[in-house]
Amino acid sequence: DVKVTQSSRYLVKRTGEKVFLECVQDMDHENMFWYRQDPGLGLRLIYFSYDVKMKEKGDIPEGYSVSREKKERFSLILESASTNQTSMYLCASSLAPDRADYGYTFGSGTRLTVV
Amino acid sequence: RKEVEQDPGPFNVPEGATVAFNCTYSNSASQSFFWYRQDCRKEPKLLMSVYSSGNEDGRFTAQLNRASQYISLLIRDSKLSDSATYLCVVDQSGGSYIPTFGRGTSLIVHP
Repeated sequence: DVKVTQSSRYLVKRTGEKVFLECVQDMDHENMFWYRQDPGLGLRLIYFSYDVKMKEKGDIPEGYSVSREKKERFSLILESASTNQTSMYLCASSLAPDRADYGYTFGSGTRLTVV
Repeated sequence: RKEVEQDPGPFNVPEGATVAFNCTYSNSASQSFFWYRQDCRKEPKLLMSVYSSGNEDGRFTAQLNRASQYISLLIRDSKLSDSATYLCVVDQSGGSYIPTFGRGTSLIVHP
């Protein structure tokens, strides 16, 4: 089974802090994604990456950046955390869409609270 | 961004009932479709892919209607353990794909 591991389950940070959320997958997936999930808003795509050192903005990239230095690791960075970034953050990975076993596997999420 | 729409529900049904959810999408170029299940405070997990010809997995049946641009999920003989939020996912194709999630449909199965 593919495993997507997020470094922290719960995180509390102060306003203005720089926050790193780490995501590692162990099945050599090309594609990785960062979402945030808020009540009533569903999952919203922040950033995604199709390959090492490659990144693309999703729907809500403002206030975030990402890093993909290695294929298995995709990091989400909150440059200066704000209270409106309090949310559940979910990382996902997938193979390329032409693969028969294509589909998204999620990490267990990081619930971030910014105070 | 192209939209994916779901009725949020909740759908409140008794055990043993049959229930169906629909999900509409706006991008006619979409190629890949999925249903995910999400339990409270857990991550979404793949329930099933949706194929053009329709597909079935036990009590679950998924259908794709390209002409009307919707996918459906039918659950027969509902169990208490089916209570969850069901998310549809549509890849916005056309060279590069971007997965878009619906906001989910809440299902509550009661005794």
